[in-house]
Amino acid sequence: RKEVEQDPGPFNVPEGATVAFNCTYSNSASQSFFWYRQDCRKEPKLLMSVYSSGNEDGRFTAQLNRASQYISLLIRDSKLSDSATYLCVVTLSGGYNKLIFGAGTRLAVHP
Amino acid sequence: NAGVTQTPKFRVLKTGQSMTLLCAQDMNHEYMYWYRQDPGMGLRLIHYSVGEGTTAKGEVPDGYNVSRLKKQNFLLGLESAAPSQTSVYFCASRTGSSYEQYFGPGTRLTVT
Repeated sequence: RKEVEQDPGPFNVPEGATVAFNCTYSNSASQSFFWYRQDCRKEPKLLMSVYSSGNEDGRFTAQLNRASQYISLLIRDSKLSDSATYLCVVTLSGGYNKLIFGAGTRLAVHP
Repeated sequence: NAGVTQTPKFRVLKTGQSMTLLCAQDMNHEYMYWYRQDPGMGLRLIHYSVGEGTTAKGEVPDGYNVSRLKKQNFLLGLESAAPSQTSVYFCASRTGSSYEQYFGPGTRLTVT
């Protein structure tokens, strides 16, 4: 079983739609949680951290359910520029704070 | 401030050849990492470094070696390239006080 699992998609949505991505992780000792964004043939970049209480950044809302080992990302009012792959990332405790990446969910927003 | 840079951007090797990938960061970050990214898989950690002069193995270290002689540079070496090492290689760095990793633009390596 993969340590971090995501639906690979692609999710094809029209502009203005609301879309939700889910992610599950297998290690209950996971410590911190993030969503990274990766544009085609580019490097990953941090989109937002995910806190237990849930957090919002503009059109983006991230939620964490530690009991179910489940993370979500909600994008409201999708823009063409939101088209990318969204990577769910989890850290374990340890001296080097290893990041464990999901394979990503691809989003395509069309006019 | 260039952030994290990687050299080269593209490379084609023949099986058995060797090469070194260079990662440089100008943010004075302590931690540096090398990942590989393959289709349908998440980024996988090859080697990492928690400071100048230190390196350690990650998840998929076989066939690779690294060195961190200077704080700003992290080198990844392939001594005898194999087709299974065809991949996109990303370098990343971070400070000791934040989990956020900053990635370089990647190196696309093909081994024939």
